[in-house]
Amino acid sequence: RKEVEQDPGPFNVPEGATVAFNCTYSNSASQSFFWYRQDCRKEPKLLMSVYSSGNEDGRFTAQLNRASQYISLLIRDSKLSDSATYLCVVNQAGTALIFGKGTTLSVSS
Amino acid sequence: GAGVSQSPRYKVAKRGQDVALRCDPISGHVSLFWYQQALGQGPEFLTYFQNEAQLDKSGLPSDRFFAERPEGSVSTLKIQRTQQEDSAVYLCASSSTNGGHYNEQFFGPGTRLTVL
Repeated sequence: RKEVEQDPGPFNVPEGATVAFNCTYSNSASQSFFWYRQDCRKEPKLLMSVYSSGNEDGRFTAQLNRASQYISLLIRDSKLSDSATYLCVVNQAGTALIFGKGTTLSVSS
Repeated sequence: GAGVSQSPRYKVAKRGQDVALRCDPISGHVSLFWYQQALGQGPEFLTYFQNEAQLDKSGLPSDRFFAERPEGSVSTLKIQRTQQEDSAVYLCASSSTNGGHYNEQFFGPGTRLTVL
């Protein structure tokens, strides 16, 4: 079993749609949680950190449930430019990042 | 300022050949990480340096893989006797963390290795 699991998709949505991605992690010692975005043939870039209290950055909302070991990302009012792969990431004690396989999002006009 | 750079960006090797991949981290960043990303997968951890010390090499897939960072700045990932399963994108990341808590890791553009 992979340490971080996500539905690979693809998710194909029209512009303006709301889309949600989910992720589960297996190691309860995980301390930090993130969503990274990776465009085709590019490097991953940090989208946002995820906190238990939930956090929002514009159209993006991330949520963490430590009891269920579950992380989510909600994208509202999808834009064409949101098309990318979204990687769920966990971290223990400030060292290696553990990535999920990624969920592919394609937003069409 | 300058981000993480990697060279070469693309490398084609014949099976059995040795390759060396270079990473220039962000100036002053203490921590340096190497990841391997196979097609359709997320990046997977290979090894971690804090300054010149290699603190974790648990992700290196075999003894054909070797990494060094002799002066605590530039790092080189070497793969000996390359095999087809080594074909992947090799990503380098650096951060200013000094252990204990997380600081953002900034990724380089990667080296795409194809082994024929």
